[in-house]
Amino acid sequence: GEDVEQSLFLSVREGDSSVINCTYTDSSSTYLYWYKQEPGAGLQLLTYIFSNMDMKQDQRLTVLLNKKDKHLSLRIADTQTGDSAIYFCAESAGGNNRLAFGKGNQVVVIP
Amino acid sequence: DSGVTQTPKHLITATGQRVTLRCSPRSGDLSVYWYQQSLDQGLQFLIQYYNGEERAKGNILERFSAQQFPDLHSELNLSSLELGDSALYFCASSDSQGGYGYTFGSGTRLTVV
Repeated sequence: GEDVEQSLFLSVREGDSSVINCTYTDSSSTYLYWYKQEPGAGLQLLTYIFSNMDMKQDQRLTVLLNKKDKHLSLRIADTQTGDSAIYFCAESAGGNNRLAFGKGNQVVVIP
Repeated sequence: DSGVTQTPKHLITATGQRVTLRCSPRSGDLSVYWYQQSLDQGLQFLIQYYNGEERAKGNILERFSAQQFPDLHSELNLSSLELGDSALYFCASSDSQGGYGYTFGSGTRLTVV
């Protein structure tokens, strides 16, 4: 079965880089995703990476995928106060692309 | 606005009652997914529908049921409510393949008192 693990809390100063880590178990996952949840809101898809890629960059976001270790990370460059949120990684599970989510990592940006 | 509409946004009800949560998927999306988010359990997958048919079931209690109608909107029915059912319930939708991720609604916050 699928199991996605994340650390719980990260505090970072505005302007610094943030790195959020995630491990997953389903090696057959085709896509891996990062979602952002702001207070009182739903989950917003930030980015995704196809399983045959090692890295994907999208503006301030860099996703690194280590398939051997089943490790996914999200780096946010020049972190802003608007980046304060809970970040979830997710893997596609099973043949119907159902997403399994980690418990989330809360990022607090200090001005 | 993500394009996925959930109603109501908030719901307060008593134990033992029954409620219905509604979701309209993003235009063109055929799949609807229901998730429960609580502090201790995180995001738990409940059930998926694709074009009106149940596609996958997750940790959904027998007291809970769902359906997807011909116009593709979906309803999640929660009955014999218990205090522990208090949570955020999210609906998400995707295209037929779902490979590019889901689009989530803003959720329904259910409080059982």
